[in-house]
Amino acid sequence: QVQLQESGPGLVKPSQTLSLTCSVSGDAISNRAVYWTWVRQRPGQGLEWIGHIYYIGDTHYNPSLASRLTISVDTSKNQLSLRLSSVTVADTAVYYCARVRRNSYYSLDVWGQGTTVTVSS
Amino acid sequence: EIVLTQSPGTLSLSPGERATLSCRASQRVSSSYLAWYQQKPGQAPRLLIYGASNRATGIPDRFSGSGSGTDFSLTINRLEPEDFAVYYCQQYGGSPPISFGPGTKVDI
Repeated sequence: QVQLQESGPGLVKPSQTLSLTCSVSGDAISNRAVYWTWVRQRPGQGLEWIGHIYYIGDTHYNPSLASRLTISVDTSKNQLSLRLSSVTVADTAVYYCARVRRNSYYSLDVWGQGTTVTVSS
Repeated sequence: EIVLTQSPGTLSLSPGERATLSCRASQRVSSSYLAWYQQKPGQAPRLLIYGASNRATGIPDRFSGSGSGTDFSLTINRLEPEDFAVYYCQQYGGSPPISFGPGTKVDI
């Protein structure tokens, strides 16, 4: 059974860098059949794709976030990470990591439970 | 950029009724890279349908998806109380490569 678990600080100050980690169990980060992605959901809003990464390090970012965003993987720890710099209150959201199955029409078939991040001074 | 539009915004129905949700793309979605998700309050989204019409593992057969090109739909036959939730469509392959529709809320 594949499980994803997000972790990170629940509170970040404006202008600082948000760092989150997603620990993967039941699958390998180096699985060639999947991408690993981050999605966020602002309070009361819909889902926003942040970006995704392939295990070899190829990344695709949402253009609206690309200048502030870094997504990486650590195959030794079976984790993926997100760093978002210069955060503002608009970055307050629940952040999800998810698995994208390439052979299931690139659908997000497994999701973490999400972690709430609040940007506030 | 492929923009997904979902309608209606809210669908008010009763248990036992049929729900039909629409997802329209601003450009053709290639190879039916279209998925549907269900989200309940306080929970992560759950994959229902992938490839426009394939049910994900464990999804009851009252959920069905159809469509191609720019017009897709999700049908829920015989609504159960646990089906009242928000439903999102998602496409892959455009620019940006992944995007979601704004959601349809199915409520009582």
